[in-house]
Amino acid sequence: DAKTTQPPSMDCAEGRAANLPCNHSTISGNEYVYWYRQIHSQGPQYIIHGLKNNETNEMASLIITEDRKSSTLILPHATLRDTAVYYCIVRVAGAGKSTFGDGTTLTVKP
Amino acid sequence: DSGVTQTPKHLITATGQRVTLRCSPRSGDLSVYWYQQSLDQGLQFLIQYYNGEERAKGNILERFSAQQFPDLHSELNLSSLELGDSALYFCASSGGGLADTQYFGPGTRLTVL
Repeated sequence: DAKTTQPPSMDCAEGRAANLPCNHSTISGNEYVYWYRQIHSQGPQYIIHGLKNNETNEMASLIITEDRKSSTLILPHATLRDTAVYYCIVRVAGAGKSTFGDGTTLTVKP
Repeated sequence: DSGVTQTPKHLITATGQRVTLRCSPRSGDLSVYWYQQSLDQGLQFLIQYYNGEERAKGNILERFSAQQFPDLHSELNLSSLELGDSALYFCASSGGGLADTQYFGPGTRLTVL
């Protein structure tokens, strides 16, 4: 699985968009980008995934660069409840494990 | 709610003991994955089962074993427990498809005293 690089921490003001970057420069053509978040010690929560195209769901948007070497998770209107550790993972679908790095600790401030 | 359930939520035991953690996957999911999260090592993949068969293995100790039953629930058995086995243990399941997204359960917190 490709390695990902994320900033260790970020702050965001409540109500503003949170943009979380992820670098995955060694990603292979058949690897998907997945984003999860973990609030305190709860189970990782799936947010969104993509292969090549930008994706949007009710939680977030995922922007993947054309060369697929990086991506950005966008939380359009961050709330205090979005404070969590966010993990970017690249993985071949059906290939077993997800490799979690250290993630980005997002702190949403009032 | 991911649809993945794990029992028990908390488990406190002594060194040298054996425990069993249980996981029920989302309805219809054939794959079950086990992960360990300790303070100093983050989330580590342990093992995957697919429809009753072992599919992939990670950094799982020989003292640990898992199985998946015909009803697709899975159990993770931890034996000869050591203090360092204290951690959160998460189960995830996936149902295949193009992206084969993994959905995680709420976890079992194991404390070894």
